[in-house]
Amino acid sequence: DGGITQSPKYLFRKEGQNVTLSCEQNLNHDAMYWYRQDPGQGLRLIYYSQIVNDFQKGDIAEGYSVSREKKESFPLTVTSAQKNPTAFYLCASSMWDRGYGVFFGPGTRLTVL
Amino acid sequence: AQSVAQPEDQVNVAEGNPLTVKCTYSVSGNPYLFWYVQYPNRGLQFLLKYITGDNLVKGSYGFEAEFNKSQTSFHLKKPSALVSDSALYFCAVRDYSGGGADGLTFGKGTHLIIQP
Repeated sequence: DGGITQSPKYLFRKEGQNVTLSCEQNLNHDAMYWYRQDPGQGLRLIYYSQIVNDFQKGDIAEGYSVSREKKESFPLTVTSAQKNPTAFYLCASSMWDRGYGVFFGPGTRLTVL
Repeated sequence: AQSVAQPEDQVNVAEGNPLTVKCTYSVSGNPYLFWYVQYPNRGLQFLLKYITGDNLVKGSYGFEAEFNKSQTSFHLKKPSALVSDSALYFCAVRDYSGGGADGLTFGKGTHLIIQP
């Protein structure tokens, strides 16, 4: 988990509310990612960003939004349009080199009440 | 499109016995392959990767994996299992070709249970 911080660790949201999950890295990595983890489904890519001020949709971007204003930060907003937001959210980062591997933060568990 | 299959939801092994967690992949080009481990309510920890070269890759905590191109497999192995190896294991792939650092594609994970 070293070098990538996510906050909060646990988050509770009422239906209809937007919430923002924080992700910060001090590894000087170029790329950052958001994954969603559900039991039995593995990890699915929500959004990724290869450089500042640019990001691309992953496999399940609907109902989510991101920004990348700084190299170190890649916050994820879960909007009210996301129909089933309860999940474990993992932020990750990587160097530009495709063989470098991806390193993960400790995760945020979001529960919709 | 690339994909990863982990055919076993759960693997049970007695402590001290060898263990194998299976992974097969599909990519259009040459693969970069990775194994990660996850403990409850934690992020994923990197175990090992295959980029090129020797088909047998050694990683953290005594784990190793064997790349088999003809069978498109990358099975994770350990000669002698420990109870502390009990966790959720993920195999992941990234296509060698293409530009930029897009994300890894993950399998659904395999629960490894080591029985004392």
